[in-house]
Amino acid sequence: EAQVTQNPRYLITVTGKKLTVTCSQNMNHEYMSWYRQDPGLGLRQIYYSMNVEVTDKGDVPEGYKVSRKEKRNFPLILESPSPNQTSLYFCASSLSRAQGDTQYFGPGTRLTVL
Amino acid sequence: GENVEQHPSTLSVQEGDSAVIKCTYSDSASNYFPWYKQELGKRPQLIIDIRSNVGEKKDQRIAVTLNKTAKHFSLHITETQPEDSAVYFCAAKEGSSASKIIFGSGTRLSIRP
Repeated sequence: EAQVTQNPRYLITVTGKKLTVTCSQNMNHEYMSWYRQDPGLGLRQIYYSMNVEVTDKGDVPEGYKVSRKEKRNFPLILESPSPNQTSLYFCASSLSRAQGDTQYFGPGTRLTVL
Repeated sequence: GENVEQHPSTLSVQEGDSAVIKCTYSDSASNYFPWYKQELGKRPQLIIDIRSNVGEKKDQRIAVTLNKTAKHFSLHITETQPEDSAVYFCAAKEGSSASKIIFGSGTRLSIRP
């Protein structure tokens, strides 16, 4: 089944403790992206990747890192999480960055930073 | 960079009536405008999209219109049904990078029986 998966789905952590949220897709998609969703703010793009070893900042990249060593995986890294990074995170992928390529979203990861 | 504004933030309509959600964008080079539906506790899913060379697109009860001159686009849902209740997001793909996607803040649509 074609899908985007994220792990973990829920995470409660403490300030400053490094964490990684994994994202994987099995559709051979080139374009992958991370978003955070906060009430009243919609979805804001954190980072995106157009292909292996090609990543770029979205609208709200501060405090986050990503890597794209393989086509299928696009992990989101929080080196030193802070309470303002408490949010719902979505990974998404599409075939390419071209117009009209449907973005498929993962199930989301709810992160709480205490 | 691109900025997308979406209105209204909440909308309640009687079942069977129409619902309209409006978005404006700032970057005249933006060229692709998708709409996503997010049901409670679920992931966003694409429901319809429109490219900048088209003024209107329909898919059954859903239609999207685009006015490039005024830099706004709208989602129209006709004959609303209970399963249309959800949060709807508009988005615009930046023309300059063709990679950044900017979302509106969302509209919570409720269908009254």
